[in-house]
Amino acid sequence: GQQLNQSPQSMFIQEGEDVSMNCTSSSIFNTWLWYKQDPGEGPVLLIALYKAGELTSNGRLTAQFGITRKDSFLNISASIPSDVGIYFCAGSNYGQNFVFGPGTRLSVLP
Amino acid sequence: NAGVTQTPKFQVLKTGQSMTLQCAQDMNHEYMSWYRQDPGMGLRLIHYSVGAGITDQGEVPNGYNVSRSTTEDFPLRLLSAAPSQTSVYFCASSYSVGQSNEQFFGPGTRLTVL
Repeated sequence: GQQLNQSPQSMFIQEGEDVSMNCTSSSIFNTWLWYKQDPGEGPVLLIALYKAGELTSNGRLTAQFGITRKDSFLNISASIPSDVGIYFCAGSNYGQNFVFGPGTRLSVLP
Repeated sequence: NAGVTQTPKFQVLKTGQSMTLQCAQDMNHEYMSWYRQDPGMGLRLIHYSVGAGITDQGEVPNGYNVSRSTTEDFPLRLLSAAPSQTSVYFCASSYSVGQSNEQFFGPGTRLTVL
């Protein structure tokens, strides 16, 4: 089946630093979604992207839909302790069969 | 709106037992789905439904049944639980195919099969 790869798998950063992570696929998608999951909770949608090349922001978060439609990027600026969690990317075509990446685990050191 | 709700939150089963995981949403979403989450593997799609009366298999459907008699409810049934089904199960919903693709997740059910 379709597979998504996320990098890095995990990262440790200092509070206040910027964070970059990416997601790549062997297949093209027409929708990319980014989720954050806190321990013991379900994933929460952060940003949705619907158009190749699209750049969308949500507060300190910015995500981009890659031109090739096979990748997406998420940046977090000026990280804070509550940014800790696992970040998942997901791709789909017209809402069918969302495929999720394995996640990037973010730790923020004070 | 309560969003997507799941019950129970935790469950322990013995091998061979059956049970139903409940999922409900009050957002009038047509698309609902079940995922399992295992360490290091992200979320894998078990079954999904594009509307009442319509269900289809996802990536890992074996050992699970679903039905969709109403728009609001999408229960997941384990017919004969196996230790390999120990996992965290998430239900999700979104508007119908072709509209907004933003999926909303429930809080999860943590299942242990002994």
